[in-house]
Amino acid sequence: DVKVTQSSRYLVKRTGEKVFLECVQDMDHENMFWYRQDPGLGLRLIYFSYDVKMKEKGDIPEGYSVSREKKERFSLILESASTNQTSMYLCASLPMGGAGNPGELFFGEGSRLTVL
Amino acid sequence: QKEVEQNSGPLSVPEGAIASLNCTYSDRVSQSFFWYRQYSGKSPELIMSIYSNGDKEDGRFTAQLNKASQYVSLLIRDSQPSDSATYLCAVSSGNTPLVFGKGTRLSVIA
Repeated sequence: DVKVTQSSRYLVKRTGEKVFLECVQDMDHENMFWYRQDPGLGLRLIYFSYDVKMKEKGDIPEGYSVSREKKERFSLILESASTNQTSMYLCASLPMGGAGNPGELFFGEGSRLTVL
Repeated sequence: QKEVEQNSGPLSVPEGAIASLNCTYSDRVSQSFFWYRQYSGKSPELIMSIYSNGDKEDGRFTAQLNKASQYVSLLIRDSQPSDSATYLCAVSSGNTPLVFGKGTRLSVIA
């Protein structure tokens, strides 16, 4: 089974802190994604990556950056956390070229971040 | 801005009834359509995909696609309390990332 592992399930940080959210997948997928999910707003794409060292902005990249130094790892960085970044963060991976079921994103369990 | 619209619900149906979930999308060149199920406190999981007009059945689930009307639906027959979840419609145009709707919360009453 594909496994997408997010390093922290629950985090509490203070305003202005730098926050790292780590995501690792074990199925050699080329594509990786970071979403945030908020009540009433659904899943919103922050950043995605099609390959190592490549990154693309999603719909809400402001206040975030990402790093993909290795194929299996995709990190989300909040340079200076703010209270409006309190949310559930979901990492997902997808194989290139529609291998398997095209569009089947494999999600991690999520990281619930609270910024005080 | 590509949009995917869903009724947020909650949609309440009695056990054994048919639950009908609907979704409309704005991008006419959309090619691939997906339904994800998300239980409370869990991550989304793919339950159905559909790529061409018509119906696609998988067990108790039927996905319906009408590209002319830019409409996709999910029918759940013989609804069970275990089907209670939020259902997310997602749409893709070729190699672009999936665009998700906000989800419809389904409650199946025993």
